[in-house]
Amino acid sequence: RKEVEQDPGPFNVPEGATVAFNCTYSNSASQSFFWYRQDCRKEPKLLMSVYSSGNEDGRFTAQLNRASQYISLLIRDSKLSDSATYLCVVIPTDSWGKLQFGAGTQVVVTP
Amino acid sequence: GAVVSQHPSRVICKSGTSVKIECRSLDFQATTMFWYRQFPKQSLMLMATSNEGSKATYEQGVEKDKFLINHASLTLSTLTVTSAHPEDSSFYICSAEGLAGVLSTDTQYFGPGTRLTVL
Repeated sequence: RKEVEQDPGPFNVPEGATVAFNCTYSNSASQSFFWYRQDCRKEPKLLMSVYSSGNEDGRFTAQLNRASQYISLLIRDSKLSDSATYLCVVIPTDSWGKLQFGAGTQVVVTP
Repeated sequence: GAVVSQHPSRVICKSGTSVKIECRSLDFQATTMFWYRQFPKQSLMLMATSNEGSKATYEQGVEKDKFLINHASLTLSTLTVTSAHPEDSSFYICSAEGLAGVLSTDTQYFGPGTRLTVL
């Protein structure tokens, strides 16, 4: 079983719609969680950290469910520029600094 | 702030040659740098953790004699792929972790990546 799993998609989303997807992680001792965005053939860029209480950054909302060991990302009012692959990243407690990446969820926003 | 550069951005080489990739933190000092590899449609896989002034720590399954890592200063780490073969063709990305108290130590700043193609 992979440490971090994501639905690869693609999620085809009409412009202006809402899209949400999850990421599950296997290590219950994981301490830090992030969503990164990766455009085609580019490096990952930090989108947002995910806190236990949930957090929101503009149109993006991230949630953490420790009991079920998953994090989620919701994008409201999707823009064409939101088309990208969204990588779920986890840092286990016993692996300080070592990011574990999911394979990514592809989102395609269509006009 | 927190800019990481990589050079070269793309390299094509013949099988059997060695390729050196540089990773630099341009506006901050990084005691720790990480090297990742990403094959198409797959997740980034950590290859090794590089600490300034000490030997790199390699992940299981990564050959340390094939992927030589040097972290000679707080702003530069290099990855040398020795005797490259077509199966080494991949996207190599480095990241740098800021010094505690300067930048968030939970955050890694990624370089733009190096696309290696071995013919």
